[in-house]
Amino acid sequence: EPEVTQTPSHQVTQMGQEVILRCVPISNHLYFYWYRQILGQKVEFLVSFYNNEISEKSEIFDDQFSVERPDGSNFTLKIRSTKLEDSAMYFCASSILAGETGELFFGEGSRLTVL
Amino acid sequence: KNQVEQSPQSLIILEGKNCTLQCNYTVSPFSNLRWYKQDTGRGPVSLTIMTFSENTKSNGRYTATLDADTKQSSLHITASQLSDSASYICVVSSFKAAGNKLTFGGGTRVLVKP
Repeated sequence: EPEVTQTPSHQVTQMGQEVILRCVPISNHLYFYWYRQILGQKVEFLVSFYNNEISEKSEIFDDQFSVERPDGSNFTLKIRSTKLEDSAMYFCASSILAGETGELFFGEGSRLTVL
Repeated sequence: KNQVEQSPQSLIILEGKNCTLQCNYTVSPFSNLRWYKQDTGRGPVSLTIMTFSENTKSNGRYTATLDADTKQSSLHITASQLSDSASYICVVSSFKAAGNKLTFGGGTRVLVKP
């Protein structure tokens, strides 16, 4: 069964370092998303991406964050200069459709620990 | 501000018993309501999606209800199994042309004991 895959599963980094989280969405999907979940808290929307551009972003997604779809398969989230509060589980998701039947499929997540 | 509130925060049930989880939301414009199951440290997995016109939807031992007038939903788990131990998250979607924006509830953590 097709699935969303994410790498790395866990990354530890020093504050101020750049981090790139990678995602391979399901191949025929058109809409891509990043969400994050700080330990013990709700899942929060970061950004949605469609037609090679950001379609929506939350207030969390500030200038330190960027997304890219460098080729036909990968979808990356870059954090330019990590802060302690960026420590969280980051989930990539994709869907083939928007709208009422737009089932989102989530990856297993990348756990980021900022020291 | 769009919000999704769930209750209880956690519950413990004995294997084989039933339980019902509650979700209240204030999300506009409403597109659909989803229930996800999230095992610890894993990504959410969809259980059901309900649109405005649907009152009930089942997926095996999971039955979700939706009252769009009162903006409430419930998830009923029948004959619980140990593998049902997880967080159950209510998620409400606002549809925009370029994709769904999801508002997540805090989840209800269910522990099924033998």
